[in-house]
Amino acid sequence: GDSVTQMEGPVTLSEEAFLTINCTYTATGYPSLFWYVQYPGEGLQLLLKATKADDKGSNKGFEATYRKETTSFHLEKGSVQVSDSAVYFCALSPMNTGFQKLVFGTGTRLLVSP
Amino acid sequence: ETGVTQTPRHLVMGMTNKKSLKCEQHLGHNAMYWYKQSAKKPLELMFVYSLEERVENNSVPSRFSPECPNSSHLFLHLHTLQPEDSALYLCASSPSGADGNTIYFGEGSWLTVV
Repeated sequence: GDSVTQMEGPVTLSEEAFLTINCTYTATGYPSLFWYVQYPGEGLQLLLKATKADDKGSNKGFEATYRKETTSFHLEKGSVQVSDSAVYFCALSPMNTGFQKLVFGTGTRLLVSP
Repeated sequence: ETGVTQTPRHLVMGMTNKKSLKCEQHLGHNAMYWYKQSAKKPLELMFVYSLEERVENNSVPSRFSPECPNSSHLFLHLHTLQPEDSALYLCASSPSGADGNTIYFGEGSWLTVV
């Protein structure tokens, strides 16, 4: 079945450091790929998405590129801030379901210190 | 504010109680979802309603009973729950039909079963 694998956390960084959170997936065809973020005590918010191979999603300085050849969708940010501390979820939505049957990874906690 | 409102935000219930979680979306979407988020586990899709019809039921125990009276409202009725059902329950909505549509999540209802 479809699945998403994320790197284990927590990821601990100093402010202004470079961030990479790895995400790989297993799915048939061309799923849509998403990164969601969950701040403490809140629900999930869409951070960015990509719907076809080689698409790059970007938002708030975060980027991820849909790599079909490596089945990956790694999240990157050039300079993290303390306010980026949160849990990040990679997810895929299989093709042609008529609704968004998201399959999530286990989440990666990011801790950014001043 | 994501346009998806969940109440109550926190609920403590005994194993013999009956309670309900409520979700309302103001986004004009046709699909609504219940997800369960437990510690150290991926988010689990529980139920999907598309155009007010249940289209997905992921082997959820019958002590959880969903209801979708219209496209804007979704309920999760709870009865005779177990302590392991304690979790964050997330409601979400999306447009139905097209691939890659974004799911919008509410802030969740924290449930503790004692």
